[in-house]
Amino acid sequence: EAQVTQNPRYLITVTGKKLTVTCSQNMNHEYMSWYRQDPGLGLRQIYYSMNVEVTDKGDVPEGYKVSRKEKRNFPLILESPSPNQTSLYFCASSAYSSGANVLTFGAGSRLTVL
Amino acid sequence: QKEVEQDPGPLSVPEGAIVSLNCTYSNSAFQYFMWYRQYSRKGPELLMYTYSSGNKEDGRFTAQVDKSSKYISLFIRDSQPSDSATYLCAMRAETSGSRLTFGEGTQLTVNP
Repeated sequence: EAQVTQNPRYLITVTGKKLTVTCSQNMNHEYMSWYRQDPGLGLRQIYYSMNVEVTDKGDVPEGYKVSRKEKRNFPLILESPSPNQTSLYFCASSAYSSGANVLTFGAGSRLTVL
Repeated sequence: QKEVEQDPGPLSVPEGAIVSLNCTYSNSAFQYFMWYRQYSRKGPELLMYTYSSGNKEDGRFTAQVDKSSKYISLFIRDSQPSDSATYLCAMRAETSGSRLTFGEGTQLTVNP
């Protein structure tokens, strides 16, 4: 089954404790991205990657890091999480041929930073 | 001011009703317009995708784009309880690469 898999789905952590949210897709998509979803603000792009070793900032990159060492994986790293990073996070992927229009999203990772 | 405005609702309709969901936008460079549907505790899934102005129909769903008014709509005919979800509009400019701008989403409930 074609899918984007995120882990963990739920996480409660404390301020300053580094964490990584993994994302993996099995569709051989070139394009991958991370979004956060907050009430009243909708989905906002954090980082995106057009292909292996090619990443760029989205609209809200502060406090986040990403890497794209393999085509299928695109982990999101919070080096020193803060409470304002409490949010619902989505990873998404797309074939380059469709641009970013036809995104396949993961099921989401709900993060709480205390 | 947000680039894309969408009434968050909630919107509640009886089964069988025609539903109209709308977004307005300010960036005249937007050329690609999408509607995503998001069920509770799930990721968004693409519902409709249109390029530039015009209408597109897919079963009970019709997407309309009016670029002159900077206004897009999604119509759902004969709405079903299974249509209960949050509907997100999204748009992209030709030159914005992969950056999609999403609306806040409208929460829809279709009552049996």
